[in-house]
Amino acid sequence: DAGVIQSPRHEVTEMGQEVTLRCKPISGHNSLFWYRQTMMRGLELLIYFNNNVPIDDSGMPEDRFSAKMPNASFSTLKIQPSEPRDSAVYFCASSPGLFATNEKLFFGSGTQLSVL
Amino acid sequence: GENVEQHPSTLSVQEGDSAVIKCTYSDSASNYFPWYKQELGKGPQLIIDIRSNVGEKKDQRIAVTLNKTAKHFSLHITETQPEDSAVYFCAASKGRGVDEKLTFGTGTRLTIIP
Repeated sequence: DAGVIQSPRHEVTEMGQEVTLRCKPISGHNSLFWYRQTMMRGLELLIYFNNNVPIDDSGMPEDRFSAKMPNASFSTLKIQPSEPRDSAVYFCASSPGLFATNEKLFFGSGTQLSVL
Repeated sequence: GENVEQHPSTLSVQEGDSAVIKCTYSDSASNYFPWYKQELGKGPQLIIDIRSNVGEKKDQRIAVTLNKTAKHFSLHITETQPEDSAVYFCAASKGRGVDEKLTFGTGTRLTIIP
């Protein structure tokens, strides 16, 4: 299995631009998570899906952030408009459990986002 | 909500020595405690986990201990090797359920000195 696949690996954009991060979870996994990692705040859970349905988006910092999971094999995290404080590493993770979403998370390699 | 504190933030040990990382949690209802290892440029990877019905779990050179009364758990790495150098995160949650989330600690950067 190729694991969780994220693209792009690096993204450099200018303030005000729209940014779209993409994730392909491990086939057969039922839950998908978007995390943000910074030195100041560590690993923050932004949103997670179970069976393609958003369960908890309370970690999404602002309305500028949105996430979708149109099918079991694809998810996007969009920031519009982007701001310099959004600069961070964004991780996507998936887990196999249908009823236990927090166990055995498999993380992708992350997207390093820099907003200038 | 749950609060997980992790210590130390950085740790350096000589190759071959043992390393111990400690975490405390606030919610007595938490019953699932995983540890993740993050190498440079990669995402965190689950290395071991423990449930509250077990006091200790071991996997080769790695062990985790849990003290439910004191609400703390620890990661022990014995016979450390250079490839153990990474950032380690503890986490806690209230176990199984669609609504249960992991709360991560702030991480410990472990450096193994050859």
